Amino acid sequence: GAGVSQSPSNKVTEKGKDVELRCDPISGHTALYWYRQSLGQGLEFLIYFQGNSAPDKSGLPSDRFSAERTGGSVSTLTIQRTQQEDSAVYLCASSLYNTIYFGEGSWLTVV
Amino acid sequence: QKEVEQDPGPLSVPEGAIVSLNCTYSNSAFQYFMWYRQYSRKGPELLMYTYSSGNKEDGRFTAQVDKSSKYISLFIRDSQPSDSATYLCAMSTGANSKLTFGKGITLSVRP
Repeated sequence: GAGVSQSPSNKVTEKGKDVELRCDPISGHTALYWYRQSLGQGLEFLIYFQGNSAPDKSGLPSDRFSAERTGGSVSTLTIQRTQQEDSAVYLCASSLYNTIYFGEGSWLTVV
Repeated sequence: QKEVEQDPGPLSVPEGAIVSLNCTYSNSAFQYFMWYRQYSRKGPELLMYTYSSGNKEDGRFTAQVDKSSKYISLFIRDSQPSDSATYLCAMSTGANSKLTFGKGITLSVRP
């Protein structure tokens, strides 16, 4: 069946530009997560959506980062005024019960 | 002290060896423990999932959780070159809660 789908798979952007990363979770999954993985680092939690509850935004590194989830399905992570330190893989994951599945990630390079 | 600590590696073993990967953690509220495998330029893939203390076996893989010591392990028997990947431990306080990851260890199995 279809897994978690992320787009774009690769994005090169100029410093200062805004970027949007999209995540299509597995159909029916109520929980959606965004993580960031920098070179040589583990996965850093960014934000978590669960059903209709208020999202847990405790991992967002600055107010340049925001995310929304529309209709309980698709999610968009937006990074405003990108900086070079934002270069990383942005991973989306979804779950229904207690098994979390990841997408392939969006590889962001800020030049 | 980070919430989850993982041996940094890298680790190189000959084919057929038994591999032991370990993580320690500080948050006693963690109840769910996972191991993910990540191949280069791919998203993490769930390998093993354990709730609370105990052992779980799946083929060549065995996961152990010792909550009293706040220590988890993944054993790989008869390691194969195809096991060469980065292994990440992860844990959470609830079934659909956010995961906290170790930094990951890169394993190379030499033919």
